[in-house]
Amino acid sequence: GIQVEQSPPDLILQEGANSTLRCNFSDSVNNLQWFHQNPWGQLINLFYIPSGTKQNGRLSATTVATERYSLLYISSSQTTDSGVYFCAVYTGQGNTPLVFGKGTRLSVIA
Amino acid sequence: DAGVTQSPTHLIKTRGQQVTLRCSPKSGHDTVSWYQQALGQGPQFIFQYYEEEERQRGNFPDRFSGHQFPNYSSELNVNALLLGDSALYLCASSPRLVLTYEQYFGPGTRLTVT
Repeated sequence: GIQVEQSPPDLILQEGANSTLRCNFSDSVNNLQWFHQNPWGQLINLFYIPSGTKQNGRLSATTVATERYSLLYISSSQTTDSGVYFCAVYTGQGNTPLVFGKGTRLSVIA
Repeated sequence: DAGVTQSPTHLIKTRGQQVTLRCSPKSGHDTVSWYQQALGQGPQFIFQYYEEEERQRGNFPDRFSGHQFPNYSSELNVNALLLGDSALYLCASSPRLVLTYEQYFGPGTRLTVT
C-alpha cells in the first residue's frame, strides 16, 4: 500500500520561530489533509488540500501532487502550536480511508 | 453545529473482556470511520460504515466489529480483548455524496487493557 513519510520526526522551536514540515507519499493520491493533534488526543483539521496552496492565519500548506509531497508552514510559532502534526492521504476515488504518516512532534518553548 | 462526539472518554478493561465504544457524527454527515491509534503512531483505519453497512475494512481481525444506526451514529465492538488493543480509538465522520469529503474526528476513547 501507499507509504506516507513525514519529516522531521521531532522539532523543537523557540517561540516566534518559523518551521516547515514535510510529507512525502509513495503513490498518487486524490486528496490530502493536515491535522494537529493536541496533548489530549483531539485531531484538529488544519487543511484539506489536494493541490495548490492554502493559508489560514499563521499556517499555510502547499501540495504538489505530481511530485508527491506536501508542506506545512508555521510562522511566528506559539507555545499553543505544540503537539503532533499529521499528514494523511486519500488513495482512491471518493470517500476512502485516510492513510496517515507517523507525524511530526513539535515542541515550542517560551 | 455539533461536532463528532465519542463516549466514553476513558475505559479500563481486563484481557478477554469485550468493549463497546460509541460515536455520533457531525451534523449533516452520514459516513462514519473508525481508527486505532497506538502510542507514538499515526491512526490506522479499522472500518467504515454508511447506509448501516460496513463498506471498507482495514487490516484488523474479526474481533473488531461495528454497527451503524439509522441516525448515522455508530458503535465499535472489540471482543476477547488483548493487551495490544490498548490504544486511542478515534471516530471520524464525513459526507458521502458530496464533492468534498473531508473527515472530521472526535476526541477519541482511550482504552487500556490490563
